[in-house]
Formats: sequence, C-alpha cells, structure tokens
Amino acid sequence: QKEVEQNSGPLSVPEGAIASLNCTYSDRGSQSFFWYRQYSGKSPELIMSIYSNGDKEDGRFTAQLNKASQYVSLLIRDSQPSDSATYLCAVNKAGSGTYKYIFGTGTRLKVLA
Amino acid sequence: KAGVTQTPRYLIKTRGQQVTLSCSPISGHRSVSWYQQTPGQGLQFLFEYFSETQRNKGNFPGRFSGRQFSNSRSEMNVSTLELGDSALYLCASSLGVTMNTEAFFGQGTRLTVV
Repeated sequence: QKEVEQNSGPLSVPEGAIASLNCTYSDRGSQSFFWYRQYSGKSPELIMSIYSNGDKEDGRFTAQLNKASQYVSLLIRDSQPSDSATYLCAVNKAGSGTYKYIFGTGTRLKVLA
Repeated sequence: KAGVTQTPRYLIKTRGQQVTLSCSPISGHRSVSWYQQTPGQGLQFLFEYFSETQRNKGNFPGRFSGRQFSNSRSEMNVSTLELGDSALYLCASSLGVTMNTEAFFGQGTRLTVV
C-alpha cells in the first residue's frame, strides 16, 4: 500500500463545474496535509494546507480533512481551463520531530472549455 | 520576498560523472528538503536538512548526498551518474520548526544523463 494514494486521472470536468480531487493516506499519525498544483514542466505550487478535521476554504478552493477515514480532498469551484494541471496531495509524516513530506503521484485535471 | 532559488536550471552530464545542485531557501527558512521527480515515480523524498543537520533521509543509494551551510543554503551531490538519475530535482524550503509548516518549491534543476 502506498503511503499517499491519489487517482492518476485524468479527471475531466466542464468549465464552471466543481472538480473534486481525492487523496488517502496510510499513516494514522499524520498531522499536516497539503495540496499542490503543478503545471506541466513547472515546479509544484502550494495551494492549501489543512491541519484539523473539517473544511478550509480559500477563494475557489476548499480542502476537506477526515482523519478518522484518513482522507483529504480538494474541491475547486467554478473550474477554469487555467486550473488544468496535476494536483499533488502531500502528507507531513509524523515521527521523532522530523519532517518528511510524502507526496501522492498526483491527479491530472483537465477543465474543458 | 525572494522565493526558493535553484541553480542551475538545466544540466546535461555523462554517465559516470558527478553533479552538484544548489538551493537557496526563502530568507528565514531553516529547512531544506530535496526531491527527485520522474514521470514514473512521482516526487520521491531524498533528504531534509535543518540547521546544517540531516534530519531525515529517503531510500536512495549513497551516491546521493547533501549538505547545508550556516546560511541555510543547501547542495546535493550525485556521484557516478547513471542514466536513471535523469530527473527533475526539486528543493523545498520551510521554516521546519513544527509539523504544521508549509513547504515552498524552487523551479527545479532538470538533469539529463547521457
């Protein structure tokens, strides 16, 4: 089992729709969760961080965390063609005061105009 | 505020050579992590440095090494390059003081081994 799992996609949504991206993780002790966006040929860009159960909203983006189910999601409202990218879920792996971000392999999102 | 700076942006090396990549973190950030990104494997953690000490290491052979200087700048070195080392190498900078710390990536160094 991978430590952080994401569906590779592509996830295709029409312009203006809600895109829902999902991520599961295996280490129950994980405390910090992040979503990154990566355009082709570019480096990952931080979109959201979430540390507590529930929802966190930032503009068109909402991150949702459910630690009991070991599940993190990212909702993108009013999706735009410019949102087409690979979205990476990252988990800060707990343990001994060290910090090791584990990334999923990413979900490729295509927003169709 | 300047972002994370990686140099060089592109490198072409021959098998058997060695290479050194550099990363300057965001001012005030003391943690630098290095990752290898390939199409097949995604982002793989190499190592993390905090205040000149390696705090964590991924599952890479000893040919991959790194260090951090007192000004938090970091270098990673790959010796005896193999074709499979061709990848995008990314460094990420963070405060690194607590678990809830956001990491910001540099633009990466694309290494091609021929």
